[in-house]
Amino acid sequence: EAQMVESGGGLVQPGGSLRLSCAASGFTFNSWMSWVRQAPGKGLEWVANIKGDGSDKYYVRSVKGRFTISRDNTKNSLYLQMNSLRAEDTAMYYCAREYIGAYDYWGQGTLVTVSS
Amino acid sequence: QSALTQPASVSGSPGQSITISCTGTSSDVGDYNYVSWYQQHPGKAPKLIIYAVTNRPSGVSDRFSGSKSGNTASLTISGLQAEDEADYSCYSHATKVFGTGTRVTVL
Repeated sequence: EAQMVESGGGLVQPGGSLRLSCAASGFTFNSWMSWVRQAPGKGLEWVANIKGDGSDKYYVRSVKGRFTISRDNTKNSLYLQMNSLRAEDTAMYYCAREYIGAYDYWGQGTLVTVSS
Repeated sequence: QSALTQPASVSGSPGQSITISCTGTSSDVGDYNYVSWYQQHPGKAPKLIIYAVTNRPSGVSDRFSGSKSGNTASLTISGLQAEDEADYSCYSHATKVFGTGTRVTVL
């Protein structure tokens, strides 16, 4: 059974940093992978994705230059390094596997709160 | 990129059919067939229910169906059940944009 478990969320002050992790199991971890976030009471927002071999990465405009997506295929793990955090980055962050232009596997999410 | 437009809420009685629209442009919906739909219950992660406009993943009820006409994609839920009460979002992989989300209420 496919499973993804995120960790690393928490409360951080504006300007601070966090590193999110996503541990995957139960499926071949060589697909494009994404981070998707959802601010409290708001809709879903794609944040970043990374090719199976890590050679291509893309970001939503609002996080470019501040967030870095990476992966370690030897550990079946996905990461999101978040720097210069802002209040508007407060959200539940999900990792998700891309499948035929959609996201078929999702983690349970990890909550990031940016507040002083 | 702007979010795809969905109605804020749709409601129906048990057994009825409802349709949720997802309106974009030719750049995100009209010219591409990578539109998907997600169901999300409160406090839970999204669940894929339709991919590539019309396809259902294994295990998803056949009461859920997807279609597209022009720049508008649609999700139809037939035989509405209490467990269908949730938030639904569309997504365009062409532009990596989700819809504004629709709350479905079963009366």
